Amino acid sequence: GQNIDQPTEMTATEGAIVQINCTYQTSGFNGLFWYQQHAGEAPTFLSYNVLDGLEEKGRFSSFLSRSKGYSYLLLKELQMKDSASYLCAVRGGDYKLSFGAGTTVTVRA
Amino acid sequence: AAGVIQSPRHLIKEKRETATLKCYPIPRHDTVYWYQQGPGQDPQFLISFYEKMQSDKGSIPDRFSAQQFSDYHSELNMSSLELGDSALYFCASSSGHSYEQFFGPGTRLTVL
Repeated sequence: GQNIDQPTEMTATEGAIVQINCTYQTSGFNGLFWYQQHAGEAPTFLSYNVLDGLEEKGRFSSFLSRSKGYSYLLLKELQMKDSASYLCAVRGGDYKLSFGAGTTVTVRA
Repeated sequence: AAGVIQSPRHLIKEKRETATLKCYPIPRHDTVYWYQQGPGQDPQFLISFYEKMQSDKGSIPDRFSAQQFSDYHSELNMSSLELGDSALYFCASSSGHSYEQFFGPGTRLTVL
């Protein structure tokens, strides 16, 4: 199985930057994903990392260090609509996707 | 663009009843995944199918079964429903093992 840890909650101000950390221990590794999920809705894909380094996509960036079992999702220029749960998910050697418990981000005006 | 379709969107059943959830993947996607998400919990992988064959199995109870049909749609059959089965059930699809899984809107199952 996979052990995936991420903070439960984070709060930030509109326009600020927030970094959500994720650490994992897996048997095999075939990529790390970040998903955004609003309450009662389906997760939506944000980013994918399989090699070490930073992937930037607009206001969102994701970083991976495979040797450290560590990733972060960086949200810049926060907007009210960014208030959601952010799920770190790891695809193991068996290609199954295992999700972390999610980090609830609250953006305040 | 076409997305993953799930039906029904909401379902209310009583204990010990059966339920069938349907998933229609994005056209030309051959892989389907089922997840269960309880209130305040992360999605838990149940089972997946690739080219109509079961490819992986997660924490799916023996009371549940699933299959993928020739048109690639999938059905999750749930019997002897229990209160704890109340959850959001998501279906996702992908093309083979491509990295992105596209999630459907989910079916909210309530067991009374």
